[in-house]
Amino acid sequence: ETGVTQSPTHLIKTRGQQVTLRCSSQSGHNTVSWYQQALGQGPQFIFQYYREEENGRGNFPPRFSGLQFPNYSSELNVNALELDDSALYLCASSPGTGSGETQYFGPGTRLLVL
Amino acid sequence: GENVGLHLPTLSVQEGDNSIINCAYSNSASDYFIWYKQESGKGPQFIIDIRSNMDKRQGQRVTVLLNKTVKHLSLQIAATQPGDSAVYFCAEKVQGAQKLVFGQGTRLTINP
Repeated sequence: ETGVTQSPTHLIKTRGQQVTLRCSSQSGHNTVSWYQQALGQGPQFIFQYYREEENGRGNFPPRFSGLQFPNYSSELNVNALELDDSALYLCASSPGTGSGETQYFGPGTRLLVL
Repeated sequence: GENVGLHLPTLSVQEGDNSIINCAYSNSASDYFIWYKQESGKGPQFIIDIRSNMDKRQGQRVTVLLNKTVKHLSLQIAATQPGDSAVYFCAEKVQGAQKLVFGQGTRLTINP
């Protein structure tokens, strides 16, 4: 176990709704990255948070947004849900933003959009 | 490119044999590489990593080889066990970038 926790484990929403996913980072880790993993694919980088600010973003639209709190936990918010947003959402924490910093993943939140 | 490619989407080995999972990466600027194991219903689990200034690194029952000349990465698992059944991903990271770039994964199945 990595010590990275995510909630909820599963979630069902309908198209157009909004969702908030939560992540608690491993103790001592100040950086949180979010990834989307579609079925049968590798994870795709959404964005990273470091010291409560966005520190890099992948090719995802603005309706994907996030927050990081002073205790380094983080939220991923998705507005105006689309069917293609159905995926496993993974949070990864790391002790810093350096090039060689290993990212440790949580168990993920499985989101189904109907 | 955005995807780290894999030569084989599935690999089936006999229990007790050695497994070799291959990965081709496209970005010559990548300087850090990680292998993850993902079991069904779980998040990716860190196995081993290697920096670009190395060509080999060993862990417990696992070895990662890096060939920067041909941009190739491999994961060797010794004495494969049923618990090794999973999807294995290689991921790369460019110096200064935040994101890990993952491939599609290789499914490893163990025959008794």
